[in-house]
Amino acid sequence: KAGVTQTPRYLIKTRGQQVTLSCSPISGHRSVSWYQQTPGQGLQFLFEYFSETQRNKGNFPGRFSGRQFSNSRSEMNVSTLELGDSALYLCASSPNRDSNEQFFGPGTRLTVL
Amino acid sequence: GQNIDQPTEMTATEGAIVQINCTYQTSGFNGLFWYQQHAGEAPTFLSYNVLDGLEEKGRFSSFLSRSKGYSYLLLKELQMKDSASYLCAVRGGRDDKIIFGKGTRLHILP
Repeated sequence: KAGVTQTPRYLIKTRGQQVTLSCSPISGHRSVSWYQQTPGQGLQFLFEYFSETQRNKGNFPGRFSGRQFSNSRSEMNVSTLELGDSALYLCASSPNRDSNEQFFGPGTRLTVL
Repeated sequence: GQNIDQPTEMTATEGAIVQINCTYQTSGFNGLFWYQQHAGEAPTFLSYNVLDGLEEKGRFSSFLSRSKGYSYLLLKELQMKDSASYLCAVRGGRDDKIIFGKGTRLHILP
């Protein structure tokens, strides 16, 4: 069974631009969560999606948004990029919302110049 | 809100035992997780505790005390490949979110 895939793996943008990141969960998994990881803050929760609905949202500004499609694939979008948005963005999938294990993708490394 | 504390770094010797502690504060506790993350890689699941007590899985064990808001991850017979960051995470709060601690970077010396 293929793991969680994320595209692109690396991305370089400039301030003010916007970016869309994609996550394909493990086949059959319906829950997708997004996290931002930086050296100083660790893993910070962004969103959780289940059955195309956002179930939870972390403490991030409205520039961060996301969605989930009927095939459980998910995208997250960051508009008006800031230097501080440079981070590793990780997607994790699980079969259901109450599953006790999340499977992480390799992440997208975003650099904002 | 939710809060998780764990040491920033620890050092141990190959073949030894190390215990990584995690304390947390949350309402509506619904499980505690440990993940391992090697540098440049994604986190991988190690253990899940929702009831008090010790869960053993090979060289790794995880303990939970809900009344104390405390958990530890015990690694036995340390190997060089155990050099990694260990992330403690808690599901809870009003929204039943999973929140991660900042991780403990474990260095293994030969």
